[in-house]
Amino acid sequence: ETGVTQSPTHLIKTRGQQVTLRCSSQSGHNTVSWYQQALGQGPQFIFQYYREEENGRGNFPPRFSGLQFPNYSSELNVNALELDDSALYLCASSSQTVSYEQYFGPGTRLTVT
Amino acid sequence: AQSVTQLGSHVSVSEGALVLLRCNYSSSVPPYLFWYVQYPNQGLQLLLKYTTGATLVKGINGFEAEFKKSETSFHLTKPSAHMSDAAEYFCAVSGFAGGNKLVFGAGTILRVKS
Repeated sequence: ETGVTQSPTHLIKTRGQQVTLRCSSQSGHNTVSWYQQALGQGPQFIFQYYREEENGRGNFPPRFSGLQFPNYSSELNVNALELDDSALYLCASSSQTVSYEQYFGPGTRLTVT
Repeated sequence: AQSVTQLGSHVSVSEGALVLLRCNYSSSVPPYLFWYVQYPNQGLQLLLKYTTGATLVKGINGFEAEFKKSETSFHLTKPSAHMSDAAEYFCAVSGFAGGNKLVFGAGTILRVKS
């Protein structure tokens, strides 16, 4: 059974640029959630995708957007990057029937300069 | 609305000593409760969860936690700390099953002294 994978591992971007982060869900999981973990803080929920549609969103501005594909993989896009967007971005997958039991990937460390 | 408070951002114990990490939650619906562990530069690993039923739940690596509704607590314990337990621990709450988000506490860094 393959776990949750994320790419890239690390990324450095300049303020104002756009970034795309990718996530492949665990085998058998059809729901993907994204979290932002700033340094020294707990993860904060960004949004969740199920059946290629957004299924809940946290308190993040519209420049944070996402996609889910038919194979349940997902992308997180962030436009107009700000310095405060520097964080570890975590993807978690789950099955819709047990959606609260989320399994996390290793994360993508984004640094905005 | 839901929230989690973890008491103590840093906890230090000696190897072989009891580990106690505190978590209190607030939830307007029956909570599902979780503990995750995060090792440096890694993602989160699920240690244990409470959904319904038995209030004392056992997880991996010898950890357990007890759901106490009257105290709105879900403290994590381990009878004997091991050096490999040194990591950051996060308590999280979720609402009624239905695709809800996890709301995390700020985390507690556990240091194990030899």
